[in-house]
Amino acid sequence: DVKVTQSSRYLVKRTGEKVFLECVQDMDHENMFWYRQDPGLGLRLIYFSYDVKMKEKGDIPEGYSVSREKKERFSLILESASTNQTSMYLCASSLHIGSGNQPQHFGDGTRLSIL
Amino acid sequence: DAKTTQPPSMDCAEGRAANLPCNHSTISGNEYVYWYRQIHSQGPQYIIHGLKNNETNEMASLIITEDRKSSTLILPHATLRDTAVYYCIVLKAAGNKLTFGGGTRVLVKP
Repeated sequence: DVKVTQSSRYLVKRTGEKVFLECVQDMDHENMFWYRQDPGLGLRLIYFSYDVKMKEKGDIPEGYSVSREKKERFSLILESASTNQTSMYLCASSLHIGSGNQPQHFGDGTRLSIL
Repeated sequence: DAKTTQPPSMDCAEGRAANLPCNHSTISGNEYVYWYRQIHSQGPQYIIHGLKNNETNEMASLIITEDRKSSTLILPHATLRDTAVYYCIVLKAAGNKLTFGGGTRVLVKP
């Protein structure tokens, strides 16, 4: 089974702090994703990566950056946390094959509160 | 990616089959139908996907109509642990962005 592990289930930080969310997958997947999920807004893509050191902006990248130094690890960074970044953050990974991408598999999420 | 329409909620008796419909009338030829579910306070869980043929795995069956404008996810023997929000998504093979609509909130009752 695919295993996507997010470092924390719950996290509380203060406004202005630099926040790191870590995600590790154990299936040698090329693609990794960061989403946030908010009531009434559904799932929104922040950033994704299709290879080591590669990154692409999603729909809402402002205020975030990412790092992918190793294939199995994808980090989301909140440069200076703000209260509107309080949310559930979800990491996902998928395999890329010649005909396209395979299903995305998700971690259990990090519920982040910015005070 | 094509838009999907699902009923907002449905109840199902434990042990019975749950049939979850999804309309995707604007689907194009290279788009797949994916199903995910999300149990409260957990991340979304992939269930199944298909292009035009019916598919079955250990979790569920997916029936896609011949014109591909709608599909049905079947949970053959629903259990209480199947209580979740179920999302039907249409996505190109090379698609990178999952977008969940409202989904169907399924409540399995004893």
